[in-house]
Amino acid sequence: GAVVSQHPSWVICKSGTSVKIECRSLDFQATTMFWYRQFPKQSLMLMATSNEGSKATYEQGVEKDKFLINHASLTLSTLTVTSAHPEDSSFYICSARVTSGGNNEQFFGPGTRLTVL
Amino acid sequence: AQKITQTQPGMFVQEKEAVTLDCTYDTSDPSYGLFWYKQPSSGEMIFLIYQGSYDQQNATEGRYSLNFQKARKSANLVISASQLGDSAMYFCAMRVHTGFQKLVFGTGTRLLVSP
Repeated sequence: GAVVSQHPSWVICKSGTSVKIECRSLDFQATTMFWYRQFPKQSLMLMATSNEGSKATYEQGVEKDKFLINHASLTLSTLTVTSAHPEDSSFYICSARVTSGGNNEQFFGPGTRLTVL
Repeated sequence: AQKITQTQPGMFVQEKEAVTLDCTYDTSDPSYGLFWYKQPSSGEMIFLIYQGSYDQQNATEGRYSLNFQKARKSANLVISASQLGDSAMYFCAMRVHTGFQKLVFGTGTRLLVSP
């Protein structure tokens, strides 16, 4: 199946700093990528939909200025958590959708665990 | 709006037995897809099985099968011959085939397989 990578796999940062998370589709092109956040023992909550070459579409309640998303190419989307605070500590997962043929399957990255001290 | 409901927070099953994980959904879109994902403790999301709303037959993938009852809006996952490695969180998800085709997840069911 298609492979999606995320970098870094985990990150610890100080409160007030910004953290960038990369999501790459390794063997396919993805015009649409999605960013999810998952708190411990909870479900995945969609944060935003990222479309290559255009602005991301954020879900209700997600701060656009805090969670900056850039989908600069067909294989790369980035999520930047700006001025991170302890409440932003979470598991962030990206996914990319295969748009050619098949069932439009959505493949997930391995996730990035963010801890803000 | 799309909604996925998983009413079983946890399920126990003995090794080699079958188990059914429940999932009901709600949407007004006639075209949609239903997915099941497995999430082990490592956190990765592993795609298990897909059912399209227009598919006439229930989807099967190895030991996984999806009991799709469209009129009841249910899409239960059946795992046959459970293995210890099946212990994980299982999420049911739905995507309507309009707009951005967002994937919306249920709250998940934690499955524990005992020897």
